[in-house]
Amino acid sequence: SQTIHQWPATLVQPVGSPLSLECTVEGTSNPNLYWYRQAAGRGLQLLFYSVGIGQISSEVPQNLSASRPQDRQFILSSKKLLLSDSGFYLCAWSRGAGTEAFFGQGTRLTVV
Amino acid sequence: DQQVKQNSPSLSVQEGRISILNCDYTNSMFDYFLWYKKYPAEGPTFLISISSIKDKNEDGRFTVFLNKSAKHLSLHIVPSQPGDSAVYFCAASVKFSGGYNKLIFGAGTRLAVHP
Repeated sequence: SQTIHQWPATLVQPVGSPLSLECTVEGTSNPNLYWYRQAAGRGLQLLFYSVGIGQISSEVPQNLSASRPQDRQFILSSKKLLLSDSGFYLCAWSRGAGTEAFFGQGTRLTVV
Repeated sequence: DQQVKQNSPSLSVQEGRISILNCDYTNSMFDYFLWYKKYPAEGPTFLISISSIKDKNEDGRFTVFLNKSAKHLSLHIVPSQPGDSAVYFCAASVKFSGGYNKLIFGAGTRLAVHP
């Protein structure tokens, strides 16, 4: 069976510090990978998606970047965090068009 | 540009009655629709989906209805149980060449089922 791991579960970082969130998927190959963010009281906003190693598409201009160094690894990064980067970050995977996406447990990021 | 809208931020229903959660969309290219359930501090879990070629899909207590002409879908939960209390997200998928898809989510509706 497929599983998705996302860590850490919670993170408190000072403004201006770097960020690295990691997500890995097991039990499948060549998944579509996604990073979403849920701001307080808001829906899920798609940040990045990837259809293969090294292929990253950005949905919104922002202070974050994503990378996919391996088939089942997806990393969300920032060089310098802003207060507005606080939120609940979710990694997800899907098999492709017409299929559901499966989410990790999320990371609660608080920038102070 | 909010392509998927859930206009009711909250819904309160008595245990045993029907819960109806609504969702509207604007993009006619969406070809697959999904409902997710989310508890606080957890990732969303997939509930049920429907292809754009269908108008109804049922799975146990959950039924999703799709009205393409109105660009509207709804989730019916019958009978509602206290454990159904959570935030429900509607999502729509658009397919791109290369076989990948993007899921666009609504803002969510918080369902409270009370005894």
